Amino acid sequence: KQEVTQIPAALSVPEGENLVLNCSFTDSAIYNLQWFRQDPGKGLTSLLLIQSSQREQTSGRLNASLDKSSGRSTLYIAASQPGDSATYLCAVRGDSNYQLIWGAGTKLIIKP
Amino acid sequence: SQTIHQWPATLVQPVGSPLSLECTVEGTSNPNLYWYRQAAGRGLQLLFYSVGIGQISSEVPQNLSASRPQDRQFILSSKKLLLSDSGFYLCAWSRPPSGGYTFGSGTRLTVV
Repeated sequence: KQEVTQIPAALSVPEGENLVLNCSFTDSAIYNLQWFRQDPGKGLTSLLLIQSSQREQTSGRLNASLDKSSGRSTLYIAASQPGDSATYLCAVRGDSNYQLIWGAGTKLIIKP
Repeated sequence: SQTIHQWPATLVQPVGSPLSLECTVEGTSNPNLYWYRQAAGRGLQLLFYSVGIGQISSEVPQNLSASRPQDRQFILSSKKLLLSDSGFYLCAWSRPPSGGYTFGSGTRLTVV
């Protein structure tokens, strides 16, 4: 049974720092992995989607990597800004069904 | 480009009343459609998914039902709401077979 873990659960850093959020999964047989952000009381915004054949994806200041063999993904945020404050969720889609398996999220606070 | 619409944004309903939440997707055809619920401070729970018109799969036994009367329309319903049905309901779509998920803005339901 696939399990997804996100570390740390919460992170508070000063503005301008580069930071890394971690996501690990137990079963390497995945279709893809997706990173989302959720602002308080809001829906989910997709940040990056990495297919199983890919190693990384980039969008602006965000870079996500995927290492299937070790069951790990990282989300790198460069030059963090207060507007990056949100909960970041990692979700894995297995290769045998349509479900996403979710991590519990990392709550990120960027201090001005 | 594809867009997903979900309404209403907020809803307060008395116990025992019916429920109908609607979700529509534009700019794509034959999407996979999903209904999720997020209880306060909790993770995302998949309620229903659909791979085609009239095809609904339920992930958890509950007081809710879903229907897909048209290719890009997904409806979440209840005949009689319970207090435990309160939560944040999110609709999502993905392009089969391995497209990423895109979420709607959500409906916050409070049953009183």
